Amino acid sequence: DAGVTQSPTHLIKTRGQHVTLRCSPISGHKSVSWYQQVLGQGPQFIFQYYEKEERGRGNFPDRFSARQFPNYSSELNVNALLLGDSALYLCASSLRQGAANQPQHFGDGTRLSIL
Amino acid sequence: LAKTTQPISMDSYEGQEVNITCSHNNIATNDYITWYQQFPSQGPRFIIQGYKTKVTNEVASLFIPADRKSSTLSLPRVSLSDTAVYYCLVGDPNTGGFKTIFGAGTRLFVKA
Repeated sequence: DAGVTQSPTHLIKTRGQHVTLRCSPISGHKSVSWYQQVLGQGPQFIFQYYEKEERGRGNFPDRFSARQFPNYSSELNVNALLLGDSALYLCASSLRQGAANQPQHFGDGTRLSIL
Repeated sequence: LAKTTQPISMDSYEGQEVNITCSHNNIATNDYITWYQQFPSQGPRFIIQGYKTKVTNEVASLFIPADRKSSTLSLPRVSLSDTAVYYCLVGDPNTGGFKTIFGAGTRLFVKA
């Protein structure tokens, strides 16, 4: 079975632009979470979606938004890009919203660079 | 959400057993302990999860004392390919809006 897939793998944008990142979860997984990982730090939680509804939000500005589609894929949108948004954006999926012994499976991320 | 504290880095040699300890003094009753491994330019990969005592799978063991205020990830006979960052996470996976909180992790460097 395919793992979590993210697209694109790399992206270069300039300040003020908008970006959309995409994630396809593992087949059968209904929960998708997004993380931002700045170089040298651990991933920071942005959003969790389950059954197409937002179930959790981290400490990120309103410039960050996301949605989950009926097929459980997800998009992360970031508006008015800042230099500090340069990071690896990770998507993770799990079978349910949250359950013991149901760990999250991560994709390899989208590397976003802001010039 | 319980905060975790891990060593910033560790060095080891091939074939040795590596033990990485994580402190989580404020762990709650319903919290589980989960460890992830991350290689450069890849997403974190689940290693092991436990609630109490000892859990073992094909790649690692997780030791959790009775007070659950710490846990130890044990990697038997490490190889060069085990060089990675290891994250300890604590949280209740059964609550709504479960958030996975990563700390800075432990950078393990395995030498030949």
